[in-house]
Amino acid sequence: SQKIEQNSEALNIQEGKTATLTCNYTNYSPAYLQWYRQDPGRGPVFLLLIRENEKEKRKERLKVTFDTTLKQSLFHITASQPADSATYLCALVGVDSSYKLIFGSGTRLLVRP
Amino acid sequence: GAVVSQHPSRVICKSGTSVKIECRSLDFQATTMFWYRQFPKKSLMLMATSNEGSKATYEQGVEKDKFLINHASLTLSTLTVTSAHPEDSSFYICSALTSGTYSNQPQHFGDGTRLSIL
Repeated sequence: SQKIEQNSEALNIQEGKTATLTCNYTNYSPAYLQWYRQDPGRGPVFLLLIRENEKEKRKERLKVTFDTTLKQSLFHITASQPADSATYLCALVGVDSSYKLIFGSGTRLLVRP
Repeated sequence: GAVVSQHPSRVICKSGTSVKIECRSLDFQATTMFWYRQFPKKSLMLMATSNEGSKATYEQGVEKDKFLINHASLTLSTLTVTSAHPEDSSFYICSALTSGTYSNQPQHFGDGTRLSIL
């Protein structure tokens, strides 16, 4: 069955450093991949989308890579700030899934001041 | 833009009560809305896909008679948890897709409803 894995352990880093979060998937060939941010008690907020034919996507301090050979996406936040502390979710959709997203369980990021 | 409002944000009620949750797209028309359920520190689990003017499509294992979904307009979908029991306690989140977009567009989420059944 399709499986998406994100590191369940929280990532704890110092302000100003680069945070790197990992999303791995198996038994799956997604047409594109999305990253969302979720704060406690809130709904997810869309951050970035990357297609299967794109290697890298950037938006301000955010960067996403997508390696379809490794079946992995990396999500980077450069010059991290305490306000970046949240849970980050990756989500995949297959070519035939018609809008439906499958979410990973998310990785919690804690940025220390 | 693309704001989704979900109401109520929190519900506490007795076992056996039916609870209705509303999901509204405030500044766009949403032909497709989704309903998710999330347990603490767990992933969002898709419950059903709701299309305006048609019956919802439920995911495997989700009881359609338990979780009634209505998508009567392009800006409103409702989820009714019928005869709720403590095991139905959870965080319910809706999302919406803007109409006329391609399948690779992001979903716009509401802020969720915390349902607690006593």
